[in-house]
Amino acid sequence: DILMTQSPLSLPVTPGEPASISCRSNQSLLHSNGYNYLDWYLQKPGQSPQLLIYFSSSRASGVPDRFSGSGSGTDFTLKISRVEAEDVGVYYCMQALQTPLTFGPGTKVDMK
Amino acid sequence: EVQLVESGGGLVQPGRSLRLSCAASGFTFDDYAFHWVRQPPGKGLEWVSGIDWNSGGVGYADSVKGRFTISRDGAKNSLYLQMNRLRVEDTALYYCVRDTGPYYFISGIVHYGMDVWGQGTTVIVSS
Repeated sequence: DILMTQSPLSLPVTPGEPASISCRSNQSLLHSNGYNYLDWYLQKPGQSPQLLIYFSSSRASGVPDRFSGSGSGTDFTLKISRVEAEDVGVYYCMQALQTPLTFGPGTKVDMK
Repeated sequence: EVQLVESGGGLVQPGRSLRLSCAASGFTFDDYAFHWVRQPPGKGLEWVSGIDWNSGGVGYADSVKGRFTISRDGAKNSLYLQMNRLRVEDTALYYCVRDTGPYYFISGIVHYGMDVWGQGTTVIVSS
């Protein structure tokens, strides 16, 4: 199984400031077709997870452009250009290169 | 409105069975693959199982393989998870999740994420 790790596990943020979360896999998520099979999901407090990013850097429909994803191979990053209060929650990366699909442990983002 | 509504959770003793259901509405059910993803209390997400649009492909996490069975019924727009020989460690909130494509997994296929999540149904396995 592909092991996913995230850092930090907790991230206090200031509204209006940028934030960044790292996700790493123990195997490359880059398929021979050129796509990185890495998703990002956000679980807001008391809610179900929601899709933010797929293919490492493609924003899902309706996701604000302050969210951006980058990275390739085994190292990936989710960036929030200017954090808003509604961005608090737990962020998960997930690999979809192999089954079983596996999630990272999550990064809890909350306001300072 | 696109919606997934899970049901069937509850308190069950170890070794017993439970069947979860997920009712889909607001979209063409047969066009999509589905997954079950669970979340133990206070913990992270774990993929449990997936099924293709036509049930031609199914997959399971090692932790549930041989005990859980995923299925779907297009006539009822419903997804199911039959859970047998339940263990204490199966205690979790179980989410029904729609994939953006027709296959839960095929190596190299275009994957646009899992875009619709239900609210979940709680399973508690305890004596």
